[in-house]
Amino acid sequence: AQSVAQPEDQVNVAEGNPLTVKCTYSVSGNPYLFWYVQYPNRGLQFLLKYITGDNLVKGSYGFEAEFNKSQTSFHLKKPSALVSDSALYFCAVRDSGGFKTIFGAGTRLFVKA
Amino acid sequence: DAGVIQSPRHEVTEMGQEVTLRCKPISGHDYLFWYRQTMMRGLELLIYFNNNVPIDDSGMPEDRFSAKMPNASFSTLKIQPSEPRDSAVYFCASSLPPTGSSTEAFFGQGTRLTVV
Repeated sequence: AQSVAQPEDQVNVAEGNPLTVKCTYSVSGNPYLFWYVQYPNRGLQFLLKYITGDNLVKGSYGFEAEFNKSQTSFHLKKPSALVSDSALYFCAVRDSGGFKTIFGAGTRLFVKA
Repeated sequence: DAGVIQSPRHEVTEMGQEVTLRCKPISGHDYLFWYRQTMMRGLELLIYFNNNVPIDDSGMPEDRFSAKMPNASFSTLKIQPSEPRDSAVYFCASSLPPTGSSTEAFFGQGTRLTVV
């Protein structure tokens, strides 16, 4: 069965500093990996995905993520954090042969001015 | 496209009452998902449909929960009878087939359900 782990409940970073939100996964086949962001009282918004190809994936709002097959990780990164990046971030995984997307527990990002 | 549309945005009901949540997926998306979000359990997949047919309902917590998709543009999630522990935010999401490149799910704004 597929699973996703986000080991940090919360990440704190100062504005202008780089940020990393961690994600590890487990699937039986080739993974489809996703990052979503949720702002208060809103639905989840898609940020980026990895299906195949380059291990470094670029997405919306300056975010990027690095796929590491050997470590089964898909960490979300941004070179310079903004206060407006403060939100709840979800990593998600789907087996390429399957149809269900499973979400991690979420990591709350706080960016301090 | 207006995106995934859910109604109502907020629902407050008394224990024992029937609750119906509604969802209109993005046109052309033939996969539809219902999720529940709570502080304790995070985001849980309840059920998903492909071409209006329920494929996997293993996440539906109890027989009190049921979901239907009578056509490609409408789905409902019904709770009967409702209980306080059903209080949560319920999200509907839709996507294209998972084998394509545009395979991410698009989420609605959610329905915040409070059962008192």
